[in-house]
Amino acid sequence: DGGITQSPKYLFRKEGQNVTLSCEQNLNHDAMYWYRQDPGQGLRLIYYSQIVNDFQKGDIAEGYSVSREKKESFPLTVTSAQKNPTAFYLCASSRTTGSASEQYFGPGTRLTVT
Amino acid sequence: SQQGEEDPQALSIQEGENATMNCSYKTSINNLQWYRQNSGRGLVHLILIRSNEREKHSGRLRVTLDTSKKSSSLLITASRAADTASYFCATDEGGGNKLTFGTGTQLKVEL
Repeated sequence: DGGITQSPKYLFRKEGQNVTLSCEQNLNHDAMYWYRQDPGQGLRLIYYSQIVNDFQKGDIAEGYSVSREKKESFPLTVTSAQKNPTAFYLCASSRTTGSASEQYFGPGTRLTVT
Repeated sequence: SQQGEEDPQALSIQEGENATMNCSYKTSINNLQWYRQNSGRGLVHLILIRSNEREKHSGRLRVTLDTSKKSSSLLITASRAADTASYFCATDEGGGNKLTFGTGTQLKVEL
């Protein structure tokens, strides 16, 4: 099966702890993305990577960090500096072409921080 | 920043009726895409329309794009209960391979 996997589906953490969300794809896509979605809202871009060992900040990168050491993997760390981390986190991937192409999404991770 | 604003925010219709949702955006774009999200799930790509296209069809979906008005519409014909979901437009503003998503329309199709 080709696609994107995110784990875990639900994650609970205490305030002040860092937490890492996993995202893996076997679609051979160069580009990967992390989004945050709050209830009743659209998606906001946290970080994206167009190629291995390179990534760029999105609109809301503060309090988050990423790495892209392998083409297949793009983990997101939610640090204790993120003031409001409870949200639904979505990972996506796409081919890189001259313009933004179709993005394929994982099932999401719902993070609750108390 | 969120470029697209969908209208209406929520829409409730009967099965068999058509559903129309609109998206307005602010800057010039390379393409506009529509996605669907079932509750608590990831998004699924529905259709992509390029800036030089005016209309596109895919099954029961019809998308129009008016670049002079910076707006797009998604029409779902003969809706089914299974079409119940949130629908998002997303724009490619030309800043690399990334999209800017709108706020979404929640569609409920009742039996």
